[in-house]
Amino acid sequence: KNEVEQSPQNLTAQEGEFITINCSYSVGISALHWLQQHPGGGIVSLFMLSSGKKKHGRLIATINIQEKHSSLHITASHPRDSAVYICAVSRGGTSGSRLTFGEGTQLTVNP
Amino acid sequence: NAGVTQTPKFQVLKTGQSMTLQCAQDMNHEYMSWYRQDPGMGLRLIHYSVGAGITDQGEVPNGYNVSRSTTEDFPLRLLSAAPSQTSVYFCASSWKGAFWSPLHFGNGTRLTVT
Repeated sequence: KNEVEQSPQNLTAQEGEFITINCSYSVGISALHWLQQHPGGGIVSLFMLSSGKKKHGRLIATINIQEKHSSLHITASHPRDSAVYICAVSRGGTSGSRLTFGEGTQLTVNP
Repeated sequence: NAGVTQTPKFQVLKTGQSMTLQCAQDMNHEYMSWYRQDPGMGLRLIHYSVGAGITDQGEVPNGYNVSRSTTEDFPLRLLSAAPSQTSVYFCASSWKGAFWSPLHFGNGTRLTVT
């Protein structure tokens, strides 16, 4: 079993829909990252969080440390949101510089 | 600021050849790292560095070498390329480690080993 599991693997939505991508992890962590990989391959950091909730525009990320679970929400989705969304965890301590990644969720938003 | 610059974007090697993937950042970040991305698998850490002169192995270090002689540069060397090293490689940097600050990624290098 992977240390970081994402669901769903693939997600297709209609423009305007509310989208949720889930990330579960099995180890104690110090921080969780959400990344976006564009169709051209470039990777951009969306959020880094260790507790609670963060919001940036139409994107919201939440984390529940006790349940070892994080969610990425996209409100009013748009075709330009089509990308692969990747969850990654950092364990802190001497392993703080190492990230373990989920396999990613391929999101397609149709007009 | 250019951010994180990776070169080359594409490379084809024959088995046994060696090459160096270049990575440079102009943000004065302490932490730099190399990842490989393969279909059906998440990104995997190859090597990382927490500052000039300091490097450490990641999850899949075999067949790769790194050095960090300056804060700006973190090259990845393939010593004797193998078909199993066909992958997309990403370099990333952050102010401190992944525990402390978001990562900035380069645009990737697509490597094919025949």
